[in-house]
Amino acid sequence: GAVVSQHPSWVICKSGTSVKIECRSLDFQATTMFWYRQFPKQSLMLMATSNEGSKATYEQGVEKDKFLINHASLTLSTLTVTSAHPEDSSFYICRGRAAESYEQYFGPGTRLTVT
Amino acid sequence: AQKVTQAQTEISVVEKEDVTLDCVYETRDTTYYLFWYKQPPSGELVFLIRRNSFDEQNEISGRYSWNFQKSTSSFNFTITASQVVDSAVYFCALSEAASGSRLTFGEGTQLTVNP
Repeated sequence: GAVVSQHPSWVICKSGTSVKIECRSLDFQATTMFWYRQFPKQSLMLMATSNEGSKATYEQGVEKDKFLINHASLTLSTLTVTSAHPEDSSFYICRGRAAESYEQYFGPGTRLTVT
Repeated sequence: AQKVTQAQTEISVVEKEDVTLDCVYETRDTTYYLFWYKQPPSGELVFLIRRNSFDEQNEISGRYSWNFQKSTSSFNFTITASQVVDSAVYFCALSEAASGSRLTFGEGTQLTVNP
């Protein structure tokens, strides 16, 4: 199947700093990227949906000024957690949807710990 | 609105036992897709199956089988002769055709297979 990579795979940052997470589709063009957040022992919750070249659509309750999503190309989407707080510590997972086939592939996830 | 319910939070079995993970869904759409994913401790989601709403045939893949019943809005997953490596969290998910590929996840079932 197609491959989606995320970088970094894990990151520890101090409260108040910003962290950028990259999601790349390595062998397909992702017209749409979905970003999910998963707290320990919980399910995946959709944070936002982004289409290449457009502004992201955020789910209710997700602060768009805190979680900045950029999807400037068909192979790269980024999620920036601004002014991170310990409660932002979570597992962040992206999912790319292929332009040609509408197949969808998850990235391996990024574990963020804010101290 | 779409909803997925996995009533079993945790299941513990002994190796070689068969185990069934339940999934019940709600949707108003007539066209939708159901998924099962495995999430081992590493966190990376492993795709297991996708089924569209027009295909009620049960499916078998090795030790895995799925029972899709529209009459009861259920899409149950059975592992035959379970193995320790099957230990993971399993998620059932639903995507309505009209929702732009948004995936709604159930709460997940933690399966522990003991030797």
